[in-house]
Amino acid sequence: GQQLNQSPQSMFIQEGEDVSMNCTSSSIFNTWLWYKQEPGEGPVLLIALYKAGELTSNGRLTAQFGITRKDSFLNISASIPSDVGIYFCAGQKTSYDKVIFGPGTSLSVIP
Amino acid sequence: NAGVTQTPKFQVLKTGQSMTLQCAQDMNHEYMSWYRQDPGMGLRLIHYSVGAGITDQGEVPNGYNVSRSTTEDFPLRLLSAAPSQTSVYFCASSYSGGMNTEAFFGQGTRLTVV
Repeated sequence: GQQLNQSPQSMFIQEGEDVSMNCTSSSIFNTWLWYKQEPGEGPVLLIALYKAGELTSNGRLTAQFGITRKDSFLNISASIPSDVGIYFCAGQKTSYDKVIFGPGTSLSVIP
Repeated sequence: NAGVTQTPKFQVLKTGQSMTLQCAQDMNHEYMSWYRQDPGMGLRLIHYSVGAGITDQGEVPNGYNVSRSTTEDFPLRLLSAAPSQTSVYFCASSYSGGMNTEAFFGQGTRLTVV
């Protein structure tokens, strides 16, 4: 079936460092979503991307919709302790198709 | 607004027992769905609904039933719990026009089947 791969699986970084993570698929998607999950909570939407090549920012977070439509990238600048959590990418082929989630990237920030 | 409310937050069941996980949303969303989250596997879709009276299967529907009698509620039923159903369950809802695009998630139900 369809599958999304996320890398890295986990990251341990120093506060203030920039973070980069990516999500790849063997299938083409028309929507890419990035969610963050904090311990004991449900995922919360960070950024939604709807067009190939699109670059969208949300504060210190920037996400890009890959040109091939088979990948997406998330960058976090100047990380802070509250950035800790699991970051999920999700893809959707059409508006009425199911959303597929990646396995997540776990981020730890060392103060 | 309460958003998406799931109950209970924690539950322990014995193998073979049945139970219903409740999910309610107060945002008048048409689309609702249930996911299970297991370590290293992300979120897997169990069942979803595009509106009251309409439900369909997701990726991992076996062992679960759903119904959607109202827009607000989307309960998930385990008819005979198995240890393989030990997981964290999330309910999500979203605006019309897309299945769980930009979904709002509940806080989750942590289920252990012994």
